[in-house]
Amino acid sequence: IAGITQAPTSQILAAGRRMTLRCTQDMRHNAMYWYRQDLGLGLRLIHYSNTAGTTGKGEVPDGYSVSRANTDDFPLTLASAVPSQTSVYFCASSTGTGDTGELFFGEGSRLTVL
Amino acid sequence: GQNIDQPTEMTATEGAIVQINCTYQTSGFNGLFWYQQHAGEAPTFLSYNVLDGLEEKGRFSSFLSRSKGYSYLLLKELQMKDSASYLCAVRDGDYKLSFGAGTTVTVRA
Repeated sequence: IAGITQAPTSQILAAGRRMTLRCTQDMRHNAMYWYRQDLGLGLRLIHYSNTAGTTGKGEVPDGYSVSRANTDDFPLTLASAVPSQTSVYFCASSTGTGDTGELFFGEGSRLTVL
Repeated sequence: GQNIDQPTEMTATEGAIVQINCTYQTSGFNGLFWYQQHAGEAPTFLSYNVLDGLEEKGRFSSFLSRSKGYSYLLLKELQMKDSASYLCAVRDGDYKLSFGAGTTVTVRA
């Protein structure tokens, strides 16, 4: 049972480089999300997608972009990484607006920008 | 954005009870969630409240008062494995989930 798979697990990146964090889910969930987690700040929503073909901005979208070409994949791209983007990134999915809308999380991607 | 407040840290003894409070202000409301997160791991779902009242699930219970913008998570018969961060999260009118900063609970023998 895979659930949500994120890659890479961790990455060290030079400032100014482009980076894409991959996220794939096999639960056929409509909604997908990207959060970043920083000490003392909790989980903050970067971008989300309620269904394939649509995306929306969360609380901290600047410097990030996403796409949702199909139901399963939701990559997060940093066009030009900066040190303040050093964080742990979690991808999550849910059924959407139905039932409890519980979020299922991937294992996280730890990104360090130097 | 949403304002979600919860204490930063709590410490309790094994076998005891701990109550983690959460207050929130949100534009629209479609449910309140509690998640558990062990260090270095992903959050896992604990409970969901959308109506006022108490939801009980084994040793964990969660309470909601929508009129007061208030919830608590009650952990009973604490075990060492309950040492973790507990995240309060609110789903707004657009069905986006916003999280509080989390409460780190330390269980001591």
